[in-house]
Amino acid sequence: DSGVTQTPKHLITATGQRVTLRCSPRSGDLSVYWYQQSLDQGLQFLIQYYNGEERAKGNILERFSAQQFPDLHSELNLSSLELGDSALYFCASSVGQGKGEQYFGPGTRLTVT
Amino acid sequence: GENVEQHPSTLSVQEGDSAVIKCTYSDSASNYFPWYKQELGKRPQLIIDIRSNVGEKKDQRIAVTLNKTAKHFSLHITETQPEDSAVYFCAASMETDSWGKFQFGAGTQVVVTP
Repeated sequence: DSGVTQTPKHLITATGQRVTLRCSPRSGDLSVYWYQQSLDQGLQFLIQYYNGEERAKGNILERFSAQQFPDLHSELNLSSLELGDSALYFCASSVGQGKGEQYFGPGTRLTVT
Repeated sequence: GENVEQHPSTLSVQEGDSAVIKCTYSDSASNYFPWYKQELGKRPQLIIDIRSNVGEKKDQRIAVTLNKTAKHFSLHITETQPEDSAVYFCAASMETDSWGKFQFGAGTQVVVTP
């Protein structure tokens, strides 16, 4: 157990809908990262937050947005969902602003039908 | 931005043999290179990492080498065991005091056969 929690574990929704994925980092970690892992694909970096502020952006679609709250938990919002958005979404956290080991959560499996 | 290529995409080895996975990166400013192992249905976990101020690092049966000039780094697993079967991801990152962004390779599926 990495100490990073993600909810929900599974999510099934229809095209065009909007969902919110939630992540709580390890105690003491200020950075949160979001990744998308499609079937048989690698880990695509989406976005990073540090202590409530956006720090780095990867290949995140305009339909996706995220935020980190004062209690350091983070939410990833996915809207106008398409079939291709079906994937495993991981959250990871680290102590610093991008240095060192990232601890991954168990992931949220999103299925868009 | 950074681009990381990882080879091979699949690797089958006999138990006891060695496995080598290679990654190349494009951004010469990258200075941190971690390797993650992801077992089936589980989360990625860090197994070893190296920073650009060293050329090699070992941890028991695992070693990583870095060639900054050629911009490539490799993971070496010796005396492979069935529990080494997993997907391995390399990554390259430029760590700074204000931000760090990881670019992962596409992954290598390692299968160790008894």
